[in-house]
Amino acid sequence: SAVISQKPSRDICQRGTSLTIQCQVDSQVTMMFWYRQQPGQSLTLIATANQGSEATYESGFVIDKFPISRPNLTFSTLTVSNMSPEDSSIYLCSAGTNSFYEQFFGPGTRLTVL
Amino acid sequence: SQQGEEDPQALSIQEGENATMNCSYKTSINNLQWYRQNSGRGLVHLILIRSNEREKHSGRLRVTLDTSKKSSSLLITASRAADTASYFCATAPNTGKLIFGQGTTLQVKP
Repeated sequence: SAVISQKPSRDICQRGTSLTIQCQVDSQVTMMFWYRQQPGQSLTLIATANQGSEATYESGFVIDKFPISRPNLTFSTLTVSNMSPEDSSIYLCSAGTNSFYEQFFGPGTRLTVL
Repeated sequence: SQQGEEDPQALSIQEGENATMNCSYKTSINNLQWYRQNSGRGLVHLILIRSNEREKHSGRLRVTLDTSKKSSSLLITASRAADTASYFCATAPNTGKLIFGQGTTLQVKP
């Protein structure tokens, strides 16, 4: 298993600003993912964070809006850029050994954009 | 498009009763997983059932999988107030990543 921490746990931001969310895993993992969960909705995969290279984005998500870094096997960041109220969501980091087995989730970052 | 659809969307039961949630999906899968989420926090992995398995148990949880009907069910027996949460199924297609269903919100009344 893996224990995942995220920070900040929540934030209230102004329209047009950017927020960087950090995700730290307590052990080396192969895969790290970023999800968005809009209010009352399910999880939608934003991207797979790849160590030392560009993230792999899902349809509907672009690097300019959600730049992701993963400098090593245990740490990743997601930036939500040029925010609008529609970006208000919970952002979740997860980690696992591969893309379709058990994933361990962080506690999430609750973002409100005014 | 969303792979998993769950029903019911919401379920309210008394403590001690059993809770059953269902998940349907559309394409062939490698496995199906169930997760729990408390009050908008992170998800906790509950159980994974592979496509060649029909039933799996873990404590008070029982999961079934019917690949011919492309459906799964999660049964929580002898429910407790602490089981109050949202429950999500997640399907793992043979190629690709986990796809989460819409979830079932379970309320267990003391």
